[in-house]
Amino acid sequence: EIVLTQSPATLSLSPGESATLSCRASQSVSSSLAWYQQKPGQAPRLLIYEASNRATGTPDRFRASGSGTDFTLTISSLEPEDFAVYYCHQRSNWPITFGQGTRLELK
Amino acid sequence: QITLKESGPTLVKPTQTLTLTCTFSGFSFSTSGVGVGWIRQPPGKALEWLALIYWNDDKRYSPALKSRLTITKDTSRNQVVLTMTNMDPVDTATYYCVYRVGATAYYMDAGGKGTTVIVSS
Repeated sequence: EIVLTQSPATLSLSPGESATLSCRASQSVSSSLAWYQQKPGQAPRLLIYEASNRATGTPDRFRASGSGTDFTLTISSLEPEDFAVYYCHQRSNWPITFGQGTRLELK
Repeated sequence: QITLKESGPTLVKPTQTLTLTCTFSGFSFSTSGVGVGWIRQPPGKALEWLALIYWNDDKRYSPALKSRLTITKDTSRNQVVLTMTNMDPVDTATYYCVYRVGATAYYMDAGGKGTTVIVSS
């Protein structure tokens, strides 16, 4: 099973700042990685797929990159609605897995 | 517009079998590549994938729960049913139905609000 390790666990920032979230896979997942955003009481929402492609409705301040084992989600100029939990997910190998999440909180 | 709605009991007793139904619209199992599955999230914890069923009836299960899970589909009714046997309090979670279609390169997305399941005697 591929383990996805996200860092940091919690990120405390202010609106207007930039956020950098990391996801590291225990073995290569090529580009078969997605990022999800989850707000309290809501279902997770697909933000990024295939490592760097924004899903419909994802603002362009969300940028993602990486391949193999190291992936990054960058959110530039944070908006109040961006404060949430972010999960990475791989579908390269069965079983498909999720990371443990990074909580982006208001400083 | 794609929508999914999860339904099932809120409270189940330990050792009972849980049956959850996902009813969806906006896509169809008649389309090659389509899949519908389930993920769950215990309170305050991370997401966990459970099962997935494809348009061709291929099925995938989490190895950790495979012996307890069964996923089926009803193409004509646009429904997917997940059964989980021998429920335990650690199975208390919000269960989400997810879908995968070509528009998002077949990555999963959740289109409903989820359903909360509490396992308690």
